[in-house]
Amino acid sequence: VIWMTQSPSLLSASTGDRVTISCRMSQGISSYLAWYQQKPGKAPELLIYAASTLQSGVPSRFSGSGSGTDFTLTISCLQSEDFATYYCQQYYSFPWTFGQGTKVEIK
Amino acid sequence: QVQLVQSGAEVKKPGASVKVSCKASGYTFTSYDINWVRQATGQGLEWMGWMNPNSGNTGYAQKFQGRVTMTRNTSISTAYMELSSLRSEDTAVYYCAAGIAAPDYWGQGTLVTVSS
Repeated sequence: VIWMTQSPSLLSASTGDRVTISCRMSQGISSYLAWYQQKPGKAPELLIYAASTLQSGVPSRFSGSGSGTDFTLTISCLQSEDFATYYCQQYYSFPWTFGQGTKVEIK
Repeated sequence: QVQLVQSGAEVKKPGASVKVSCKASGYTFTSYDINWVRQATGQGLEWMGWMNPNSGNTGYAQKFQGRVTMTRNTSISTAYMELSSLRSEDTAVYYCAAGIAAPDYWGQGTLVTVSS
C-alpha cells in the first residue's frame, strides 16, 4: 500500500493569496497523481492529473508539479469559489489511495 | 455530456446488504473503468475497488475483500456495487467514478445509513 501525507490539513487564506498544498508518497509513483476539489455536499471534481496536466475547463490559476514522491498543488490567486477541500490521489498502483485532505478556509 | 446517475439513499440494518447502482450516459459504457469511492460524514475519501465494464474484471481494496461485489449490466450501461454484512462504520456516501486513469466523471453520491 502506498501511504500519502498531505499537508497542511487546514489552510486559512484570503482572496488573492497564493496557496500551496503538498502531498508526499511513501514510495515513488512517477507522475501518477491527481488533485481533486470537493465542496460540501458535492462529489469531488478532478482538477489535475498526471501530476501537472490541467483538466479541461479548470482555471489556469491551478497548477500542479512534482514527480516521484513529492507533489504540490498551487493556486496562484485564490478566488472565493476556491474555498473548498482538496485531495491528492495516487493511481500508480492498487489500492488507490487518497491524501487526508486540505481544507482551504477564509482567513 | 457524460453523466453518472446513482440510485437513491438507503437505510439498512446491521448485517444486511446494500446494492447501489450507477447508470452511465453520454459515452460508451465499456470505454471507462468504474471505481467506487466512499466518504463517511466529515471524513476523507476511501477507494473501495474498480471494475472494467468491458471484461467484468474487478479489483477490490483488501479492507472490503469478501464483502464487496462490483458488477455491471452493459445492456443498460449500469454498474453496481453491493456491500454485505453492513455495520455502523459503513455509514457513508458512496460514489461511482469513471475515467481512463484518474476518474474525471463522478456520480452524485448515494448515502447509505446503517442503523438498528
